[in-house]
Amino acid sequence: DTAVSQTPKYLVTQMGNDKSIKCEQNLGHDTMYWYKQDSKKFLKIMFSYNNKELIINETVPNRFSPKSPDKAHLNLHINSLELGDSAVYFCASSQGLGGTSYEQYFGPGTRLTVT
Amino acid sequence: AQSVTQPDIHITVSEGASLELRCNYSYGATPYLFWYVQSPGQGLQLLLKYFSGDTLVQGIKGFEAEFKRSQSSFNLRKPSVHWSDAAEYFCAVVMDSSYKLIFGSGTRLLVRP
Repeated sequence: DTAVSQTPKYLVTQMGNDKSIKCEQNLGHDTMYWYKQDSKKFLKIMFSYNNKELIINETVPNRFSPKSPDKAHLNLHINSLELGDSAVYFCASSQGLGGTSYEQYFGPGTRLTVT
Repeated sequence: AQSVTQPDIHITVSEGASLELRCNYSYGATPYLFWYVQSPGQGLQLLLKYFSGDTLVQGIKGFEAEFKRSQSSFNLRKPSVHWSDAAEYFCAVVMDSSYKLIFGSGTRLLVRP
C-alpha cells in the first residue's frame, strides 16, 4: 500500500533526450510537489500543484514541465536533457495548503543519470 | 533572507549513546518545523513536526525535538542511538504562506558499533 509512488526508480539516458517521471499518491491529498536533490543531498522544491492548479513554480529551466492530469497524479517531463539534470527527483504530497496541511509525504525518488 | 542551517555535516556516535542534531532557522516569526530522515537509497520519512503548542514534540523511532524560540532552534534528540538510525537527517521549515518546504543541508549520522 505505497502512499506516494514514483516510476521509474532509475532512469539512465543520453543528453538531448526527452524523458518523463510519473508520480501517484493514494492518500487522497490535494497538493503534490516535485523536488530535486543534487549530488550534495541538497533538496529544493521545483513545482507544486494544488487541485491540479500550479501554485509553486520555482526558477527551473522551462525544459522542465509538470503536468497534473488529476489530483492523484503529478508527472514531470524533461526536454533536451543536460548533464546537470542528473539528480534524484522526489515527488511528495500533502493534504492541502496551509496549517497542518504542510506535512508532506515523500515518494522513494527517481535517480536520473544523464550521460 | 530566510534560511535553515544544519551546522553539522557529519556526526558519529556510538551505539547506545545519546544524540542531538542541530537545526537553526532565520525568520521573524515562528515557522512550521519538521525533521525528516533519509536512509541510503530511500525517500524521506517524517520523524516529527511542530506547528504550535508544547515545544517538546515526540516523533517516531524514539526521536524528540524541542523548539526554542529564543534560539531559533529545533534540535533533534534521541536518548539511545541504534545502528539502524544511521542515515541522513534533514530539518525543514515552512516560514510563510508561500507553501514552500525549505530544507537544511542535512546531517549524516554514522553509528559506531
